[in-house]
Amino acid sequence: SQQGEEDPQALSIQEGENATMNCSYKTSINNLQWYRQNSGRGLVHLILIRSNEREKHSGRLRVTLDTSKKSSSLLITASRAADTASYFCATDESNTGKLIFGQGTTLQVKP
Amino acid sequence: DAGVIQSPRHEVTEMGQEVTLRCKPISGHNSLFWYRQTMMRGLELLIYFNNNVPIDDSGMPEDRFSAKMPNASFSTLKIQPSEPRDSAVYFCASSSSPNQPQHFGDGTRLSIL
Repeated sequence: SQQGEEDPQALSIQEGENATMNCSYKTSINNLQWYRQNSGRGLVHLILIRSNEREKHSGRLRVTLDTSKKSSSLLITASRAADTASYFCATDESNTGKLIFGQGTTLQVKP
Repeated sequence: DAGVIQSPRHEVTEMGQEVTLRCKPISGHNSLFWYRQTMMRGLELLIYFNNNVPIDDSGMPEDRFSAKMPNASFSTLKIQPSEPRDSAVYFCASSSSPNQPQHFGDGTRLSIL
């Protein structure tokens, strides 16, 4: 069963613009993770945010977590054509590594 | 460093045949996960191991699916007999411990005719 619902399903922007993707989930979590998947490749881990954290940064990535609303967002600033990929949120309810993935957001960054 | 290595990358076979997918996790990683990805159902966890022991196989769809991890550097996912609805991309992932980020292989694209 899917825990995370991602919004939007698809996003198309110009290079240099910011991209924001949202993830909502249903149950209490221990941590939430964001992954990127390029076409034909495996998923690549981007950021892990724990339930007691509200915001995390990594380079051009910024992730927020609102446990009261059961939602998270991923912001990519100053996007590049190389950021074109699908982005997935995944929740870990029990700190066991048993991740439940959302359906993903497909991001296209036009040069 | 070598990442997670899966083989084969592509497999096409006829229904009823046995299919074996292979995975070599990153050296030193103690947790291993098998996923299946389809357009309809997205990415689903099938089974995961900690220290070579299966911990949760509740995602394995049917008895036709089985997974083993005979040692820390090798795991297999077997489907016998295979059916067309098993067609999907199967990913293996490993992590240094259960609650750490997972590193994925590039998957096996399986087509059952």
